[in-house]
Amino acid sequence: EVKLLESGGGLVQPGGSLRLSCEATGFTFREHVMNWVRQAPGKGLEWVSSIVDSGRSSGRSTYYADSVKGRFTISKDNSKNTVYLQMNSLRAGDTAVYYCAKDHAADYDILTENRFDSWGQGTLVTVSS
Amino acid sequence: QSALAQPPSVSEAPGQRVTISCSGSSSNIGENAVNWYQQFPGKAPKLLVYYDDLLSSGVSGRFSGSKSGTSASLAISGLQAEDEADYYCAAWDDRLSAWVFGGGTKVTVL
Repeated sequence: EVKLLESGGGLVQPGGSLRLSCEATGFTFREHVMNWVRQAPGKGLEWVSSIVDSGRSSGRSTYYADSVKGRFTISKDNSKNTVYLQMNSLRAGDTAVYYCAKDHAADYDILTENRFDSWGQGTLVTVSS
Repeated sequence: QSALAQPPSVSEAPGQRVTISCSGSSSNIGENAVNWYQQFPGKAPKLLVYYDDLLSSGVSGRFSGSKSGTSASLAISGLQAEDEADYYCAAWDDRLSAWVFGGGTKVTVL
């Protein structure tokens, strides 16, 4: 059974930093794209970032929403089956529940294969003074 | 404003059929697969339909997806009280190199 467990959320002041973690079990971690998706209170889903391991191309590839580019960094540690989201220069607009989501596919070569087929329970990040 | 446009809400009586539309562009829906997610209040989203019209494992056959051009739809037939939830469409956008979601549609069973 696939399980994704997020942690690291909390209250942080504007301009501060926070690192989220998502520990994965139940599947071969290195063989799947991993993602972060957030949901502001009372709002819809917003994709934040994705990380592709080696896949069919060499090295890792990362992708970011324009709203977080330059402030957030996604990374993963295959030895710990964990994906991270380092969030810097946090703003009030970053307040949201952050979900970790596993992609069915290993990369973005064949996009018909990509979908978020498992989700964590989410961790709440509140940016406020 | 979301890249994919969905109606904020739809409602219908039990047993009836509802359809949720999802409108995009040539760089997302027009080029790539559409996935649909179901979310109950306070819960994590769940994959419902993928690759336009394929049902995720365990999903009731009352749900169906379709796509034509730059628009997609999710239909729920034989509407039941347990179908009350928020529904989101999503697709990869080639121009943005990003996933884009619809704003979500709240389904209410009257």
